[in-house]
Amino acid sequence: EPEVTQTPSHQVTQMGQEVILRCVPISNHLYFYWYRQILGQKVEFLVSFYNNEISEKSEIFDDQFSVERPDGSNFTLKIRSTKLEDSAMYFCASRRTGNSDGYTFGSGTRLTVV
Amino acid sequence: KNEVEQSPQNLTAQEGEFITINCSYSVGISALHWLQQHPGGGIVSLFMLSSGKKKHGRLIATINIQEKHSSLHITASHPRDSAVYICAVRSDPNFGNEKLTFGTGTRLTIIP
Repeated sequence: EPEVTQTPSHQVTQMGQEVILRCVPISNHLYFYWYRQILGQKVEFLVSFYNNEISEKSEIFDDQFSVERPDGSNFTLKIRSTKLEDSAMYFCASRRTGNSDGYTFGSGTRLTVV
Repeated sequence: KNEVEQSPQNLTAQEGEFITINCSYSVGISALHWLQQHPGGGIVSLFMLSSGKKKHGRLIATINIQEKHSSLHITASHPRDSAVYICAVRSDPNFGNEKLTFGTGTRLTIIP
């Protein structure tokens, strides 16, 4: 069964450093998402991406965050200057198209900012 | 903004028991998802439904659109069913992009 692949599985970074989280969505999917889950809290929407542009972003997704699909296969989330409160599990998800299509989630990247 | 409430927050049961987890939401949706999250953190999609009922193995999911309510049932529960079960709703496309709004999850523990 096709998978959404996320790398790395765990990243530790110092506060103020830039991090890039990588995702390879399923190849025929057209909608891409980043979600995050702070430890002990519910999963929150960050951003959705369609047709090579952001289609919606949440209040969390401020100027420190950016997304890119540089080569038609990878989908990346960049955090420019990490803060302690960015520590969370970050999930990439993709969806083909249409109301009948479900989401496929990656296994997540656990980001720890120290 | 859609509010998604799940109950119970925690559930412990004996192996073999019939399990019910409930989810309610506040505004119209295009679909509701039931997801499973294991201790390692990964999320697996169990069901997507917009009406009626779906069954997969020992899992059954139902939704009542008029009442804005869904239930996930597990028959003949087994310790390997122990996980966090999350309800997530997809926004009505008439109100914008179809992102998912998540509930807080139900932590299920099945004791042998």
